[in-house]
Formats: sequence, C-alpha cells, structure tokens
Amino acid sequence: DADVTQTPRNRITKTGKRIMLECSQTKGHDRMYWYRQDPGLGLQLIYYSFDVKDINKGEISDGYSVSRQAQAKFSLSLESAIPNQTALYFCATGEEGYNEQFFGPGTRLTVL
Amino acid sequence: GEDVEQSLFLSVREGDSSVINCTYTDSSSTYLYWYKQEPGAGLQLLTYIFSNMDMKQDQRLTVLLNKKDKHLSLRIADTQTGDSAIYFCAERNSGNTPLVFGKGTRLSVIA
Repeated sequence: DADVTQTPRNRITKTGKRIMLECSQTKGHDRMYWYRQDPGLGLQLIYYSFDVKDINKGEISDGYSVSRQAQAKFSLSLESAIPNQTALYFCATGEEGYNEQFFGPGTRLTVL
Repeated sequence: GEDVEQSLFLSVREGDSSVINCTYTDSSSTYLYWYKQEPGAGLQLLTYIFSNMDMKQDQRLTVLLNKKDKHLSLRIADTQTGDSAIYFCAERNSGNTPLVFGKGTRLSVIA
C-alpha cells in the first residue's frame, strides 16, 4: 500500500462548489503539506502543518482552507471553487529536520 | 523572499550526459535537493547535498554545488529514455522551514 494517499485522484466540478481533497499517510510523520502544481510554475505551497495543533499559511493560501483531523490526515478545502484553481494538487509528509518530503500521487482538479 | 530558478526545458540524445542547472537566492540555504517527477506521478527524491559539500556522486548522478555563485547542478551520465521527466531543484535553510521549489526542468531524451 502507498504511504501517502490522496482522494479523489481526479475531480471535475463547477464554479462556486465546495470541494474537499483528502490526504492520508501511514508514515507516522508529524509534518504534512499541500502544494499546487501548474505547468511552468512548479510547486507552490498552499498550507503546511507541523503537528495536529499547528497550521501555517504558505505562499498561495487565499481561497483555500485546511483541517488537520489527526496526525495521519490533512484535508484541503476550496470553499467556493473558481476556474483558476484548476491544477494538480499534491500532499506531502515529512519529519522534523532536513529529511526528504514524501509526496502523494496527486489530485487533478478541474473547475469549469 | 527565497527564490529558486531553473530553465524549463532540456533535450538530450540517449547516451549523452544531461546537465540541469539551478540557482537560488537564499545564502543561508542549508540543504539542497533534486526531485524527479515522472509523468502522472508525484515527486520522488533523487538526491540531496549539504551546503558544506561541493560535490556528491551517486551512480549516474553527480551533484555540484557552487556556494559562492549559489548554483546547483545535476549531471546525469549516459542518459536513458527512462530519465525523461521533470526535475525540480529545492532548498531549505533550516529544519523548520518548508522546501522552496524551482519551477522544474522538463528533460526530454531523444532515442
């Protein structure tokens, strides 16, 4: 089984709808991250969490919110989706220090 | 703020060496990473280098770090079609800051 899973893997929705993307991990890591990938723009950090009680905004948090329900679960919500939020979304986990981040397979979101 | 720059595209012939370059602005960057993203997949760590090192070699991969110029490169020897992917440079300046990624270099290997 994959260590970092994301659901759904693909989602098409309409402008104004509320969307939740979920991330679960079995690695036992405290730190979890949500990134957005757009062609030619690389990965941009949306939100990150260093433990269950810690939530931090990244560089592009506007229009998004997150919930850290447990050490293993970190969900990303779009309260009212808009077309320029169409992108590939990645969840990642990591440990304190300089260790690598482990990425999920991504969720492709299309907002019509 | 911190910034990491990479060229967006690189095309090489199978069997040649590929060199992917990266520059960063944060002089206090402590760890620098190369991640690989294959089509339809997430990112996987390829290699990393500490800022107190100049070079790191791992099989076909060689990482060179020029701290003075804030320049990082990844050399792939004997490039294969399976090396076709997007390669991301990333840096962090402490264990308590998230990674900062470049925009990624798309490597195309021509058979």
